[in-house]
Amino acid sequence: AQSVSQHNHHVILSEAASLELGCNYSYGGTVNLFWYVQYPGQHLQLLLKYFSGDPLVKGIKGFEAEFIKSKFSFNLRKPSVQWSDTAEYFCAAEVQTGANNLFFGTGTRLTVIP
Amino acid sequence: DTAVSQTPKYLVTQMGNDKSIKCEQNLGHDTMYWYKQDSKKFLKIMFSYNNKELIINETVPNRFSPKSPDKAHLNLHINSLELGDSAVYFCASSLTGDYSGANVLTFGAGSRLTVL
Repeated sequence: AQSVSQHNHHVILSEAASLELGCNYSYGGTVNLFWYVQYPGQHLQLLLKYFSGDPLVKGIKGFEAEFIKSKFSFNLRKPSVQWSDTAEYFCAAEVQTGANNLFFGTGTRLTVIP
Repeated sequence: DTAVSQTPKYLVTQMGNDKSIKCEQNLGHDTMYWYKQDSKKFLKIMFSYNNKELIINETVPNRFSPKSPDKAHLNLHINSLELGDSAVYFCASSLTGDYSGANVLTFGAGSRLTVL
């Protein structure tokens, strides 16, 4: 079955700490991968996406993610977090030949302490 | 201008009632979705329409009935509401394209449904 796993449910960091959120997917074919962010009380917004090419993709607000095909992973990173990064982060994946079906992980809540 | 707009933003109702949530997008996208986000923030797809045609229908009670009058609108009607239907319902849209830009979803602000 197709699925996306995020093993960190809640991460608490101090400002300026480095961040890495894990994401693993289980799909048989070629996938498109995404990270979405949901700030408190707001809708989901796209942070970054990977379709092909350079496995290290850069997104908005200093976030980046690395696609490691052998590990079926697409971890999100940021070298130095800010209080304003406090949000829920969702990894998502879809099979490239699929019927527009985007599967989301269960989300990771990030709390950044000033 | 709001790209994906949902109404109402908040909805409080009694068990057993029937309610609808409306969604409209002005992005020229051809695919629209309904997602349900529960109290634990888990986000699950419910339905997807492409050019008014239902293409994804996950395991959802048949009390939920989507309707797409045109590709810019996707409404969600819920009959006989139950306590477990309380959640935030997100509408989203995307433009089917090649893999360089396929299926990036734009989400609406969400509709928080509370069933008492």
